[in-house]
Amino acid sequence: QVQLVESGGVLVKPGGSLRLSCAASGFTFSDYYMTWIRQAPGKGLEWLSYISSSGSTVYYADSVKGRFTISRDNAKNSLYLQMNSLRAEDTAVYYCARESSWYYYWGQGTLVTVSS
Amino acid sequence: EIVMTQSPAILSVSPGERATLSCRASQSVSSNLAWYQQKPGQAPRLLIYGASTRATGIPARFSGRGSGTEFTLTISSLQSEDFAVYYCHQYNNWPLTFGGGTKVEIK
Repeated sequence: QVQLVESGGVLVKPGGSLRLSCAASGFTFSDYYMTWIRQAPGKGLEWLSYISSSGSTVYYADSVKGRFTISRDNAKNSLYLQMNSLRAEDTAVYYCARESSWYYYWGQGTLVTVSS
Repeated sequence: EIVMTQSPAILSVSPGERATLSCRASQSVSSNLAWYQQKPGQAPRLLIYGASTRATGIPARFSGRGSGTEFTLTISSLQSEDFAVYYCHQYNNWPLTFGGGTKVEIK
């Protein structure tokens, strides 16, 4: 069965950096587009970033453009989100999801807290 | 970016009643719209895509309609497990965007 498992969420200070990972299993990872979505505590969903199956095409939300970088390693069945210059407003649960349009498969999320 | 506006923010409904949720896009998204249900502590669950196609395993009491800028999600007879937050999501234009959500609560 399809599984997406995020990891890497921790408490980090403002201005710091963090890399999230999403381990995929149960499907041919290299065939699928992937997406990162986040949810601040008590708030709604925010689409963050998309990467094509080969990694050649990426898109970002304006709120993270220039600070976050999405990437993937198809040999390791893994998706990544490098987050730099973190701000308090980046505090959220970060989800990875399969596909680029609608999302049937989601991970369970990993919590990133940005605080001094 | 396309702004998705959901209304109402909170909908109070009795079990067994019908619930109608609205989602409006700031510009046309054609039929490239999905609906999700989210319960506390859980990842969102896909209900509808293509504005009106139910995802695998979704009960028939959930239906979606609309195109362009106006969309609705209808739950024909609310069950106890349907009390949750619902989000619409457009995937017609980058960046993709979600609505702010409608919380369906027990009246």
